[in-house]
Amino acid sequence: AQSVTQLGSHVSVSEGALVLLRCNYSSSVPPYLFWYVQYPNQGLQLLLKYTTGATLVKGINGFEAEFKKSETSFHLTKPSAHMSDAAEYFCAVSRSGGSYIPTFGRGTSLIVHP
Amino acid sequence: DTAVSQTPKYLVTQMGNDKSIKCEQNLGHDTMYWYKQDSKKFLKIMFSYNNKELIINETVPNRFSPKSPDKAHLNLHINSLELGDSAVYFCASSGGRGLDNEQFFGPGTRLTVL
Repeated sequence: AQSVTQLGSHVSVSEGALVLLRCNYSSSVPPYLFWYVQYPNQGLQLLLKYTTGATLVKGINGFEAEFKKSETSFHLTKPSAHMSDAAEYFCAVSRSGGSYIPTFGRGTSLIVHP
Repeated sequence: DTAVSQTPKYLVTQMGNDKSIKCEQNLGHDTMYWYKQDSKKFLKIMFSYNNKELIINETVPNRFSPKSPDKAHLNLHINSLELGDSAVYFCASSGGRGLDNEQFFGPGTRLTVL
């Protein structure tokens, strides 16, 4: 079985501050990990993903995430928040073969203050 | 050149009515999904079709019936609508089994049952 836990349903930062959104997963096989972003009244779109290879993954809009197997984590970071980053962020896990259906976390709402 | 499209975007209806939501993808993907997102942004998978074959049917009331006329389309029909069906419904597609299953989401259909 696989599961995803996103710590903090809301994260509030000031514009220009570091963004850190936490995601921990459980999976019985090496996971594929994803971060999706949902802007208001829109569908989800992929920010970045980890499948194999380099554990530090860079995505769109200056976001990156690091896969840490020992910590079963895939935290999302951005050095400097912009007002336009305010959105809902979802971490997801899936695995190759077998049960391939992604499992989503409950989401973290990022609030950016001017 | 929309990748995953859904119609309608908004649907307001009375309890007890029957309604349908249509989804089409032009990405050539084999697998399509329906998700339900509640008012707290929790995303729950409802159904998945692979090459017109139903492969996932989560614990969803049998008032919900998906239909896939071809692998580019997955429609959702809902009978006897209830207040609790009010939510945003997302269609998504992915490249198929055994791949990383990155999800491509449609813009969503906001269903309001009065």
